[in-house]
Amino acid sequence: GAGVSQSPSNKVTEKGKDVELRCDPISGHTALYWYRQSLGQGLEFLIYFQGNSAPDKSGLPSDRFSAERTGGSVSTLTIQRTQQEDSAVYLCASSSTSGVSYEQYFGPGTRLTVT
Amino acid sequence: GDSVTQMEGPVTLSEEAFLTINCTYTATGYPSLFWYVQYPGEGLQLLLKATKADDKGSNKGFEATYRKETTSFHLEKGSVQVSDSAVYFCAQGGSNYKLTFGKGTLLTVNP
Repeated sequence: GAGVSQSPSNKVTEKGKDVELRCDPISGHTALYWYRQSLGQGLEFLIYFQGNSAPDKSGLPSDRFSAERTGGSVSTLTIQRTQQEDSAVYLCASSSTSGVSYEQYFGPGTRLTVT
Repeated sequence: GDSVTQMEGPVTLSEEAFLTINCTYTATGYPSLFWYVQYPGEGLQLLLKATKADDKGSNKGFEATYRKETTSFHLEKGSVQVSDSAVYFCAQGGSNYKLTFGKGTLLTVNP
């Protein structure tokens, strides 16, 4: 079946502009995660959605970052007033909530470059 | 907070050499442990996992054993191939099952 998809695959934006990154999880997966992969920081957790519960936003680096998940499926990560340090690959992952390990499946990522 | 420490590398081996990439974690309790792999130009893929102490995860000739007493989950392969060249990430599952990753180890296997 289809895996996790993300769009756009690449995004170049000017400092100060807002950007929206989209994630389509695997159908039926109720859990959705956003991570950021950057050269200096490795892979960092950003935010987690589970069904209709309040999201776990503990990894968001600043209030310029926000995310929503509509209808329990598609998610959008928004970065306002982008800064150069926001340049990174943003990864989305989804998992089902059955089983013990809640294995996460990752999308290909969106490479964000802030100039 | 939770953290994962892994050998940063880069690691360069000849084909058929033995591979070990060390990984230790600091979570309390019994987190699930994972190795993910990122091949050049591709996304992150789960390589193997273990969910409880003494479990051994294995896939594609790679193995890792969940060692609670040493809080370790070292990745091993007896004979690497050129096609194993990739970045390997150790990870642990935390609250809400979010993953905490190590910084990754770049492996290059030469023919």
